[in-house]
Amino acid sequence: ETGVTQTPRHLVMGMTNKKSLKCEQHLGHNAMYWYKQSAKKPLELMFVYNFKEQTENNSVPSRFSPECPNSSHLFLHLHTLQPEDSALYLCASSQDGASGGGEQFFGPGTRLTVL
Amino acid sequence: DAKTTQPPSMDCAEGRAANLPCNHSTISGNEYVYWYRQIHSQGPQYIIHGLKNNETNEMASLIITEDRKSSTLILPHATLRDTAVYYCIVLANFGNEKLTFGTGTRLTIIP
Repeated sequence: ETGVTQTPRHLVMGMTNKKSLKCEQHLGHNAMYWYKQSAKKPLELMFVYNFKEQTENNSVPSRFSPECPNSSHLFLHLHTLQPEDSALYLCASSQDGASGGGEQFFGPGTRLTVL
Repeated sequence: DAKTTQPPSMDCAEGRAANLPCNHSTISGNEYVYWYRQIHSQGPQYIIHGLKNNETNEMASLIITEDRKSSTLILPHATLRDTAVYYCIVLANFGNEKLTFGTGTRLTIIP
């Protein structure tokens, strides 16, 4: 148990569906992150939020829309995804993203399958 | 360009020390060495980090060479639960750098 929870753990969706991934951290951290891990590929950073403000968007397609209503919650809204978006989506938090965020705590991930 | 180089895979007998090497010959003076691991289908787990001194915690020891161009992560008594992919990452603790995960070393603990 890392103090970072993600729901749902598994999600199957069609290309026309809209769904959301949720992440919650109970660590009092100020930075939160979304990563994508496709099969047999390294983790890719998608978005960074620091004190609820988005500080990094790593050229992510607009069909992925993040939302950070407060420092403890992070969402990833999904719409009109493609099969190649099937992957493990991981959320992480750290004390402060501006200072590098080297020590990050990861959630268990959401395994997404797009049909 | 990758900042670190790690062997793609290693085996270690259960109960023995697992020594995982990492080369980071272009490391800058303000960059730390971080180690994470990822057990199959789980999120990565922070293990340890250091700047230039050797470090030890309840999970592992980190040995950094004097010239800081390489390091070794040591799991003193490997168990089957240590089977995972281990990532060595160099990162400055100040500024806009973010964790960048490479392909790591797949460590398999053999019973």
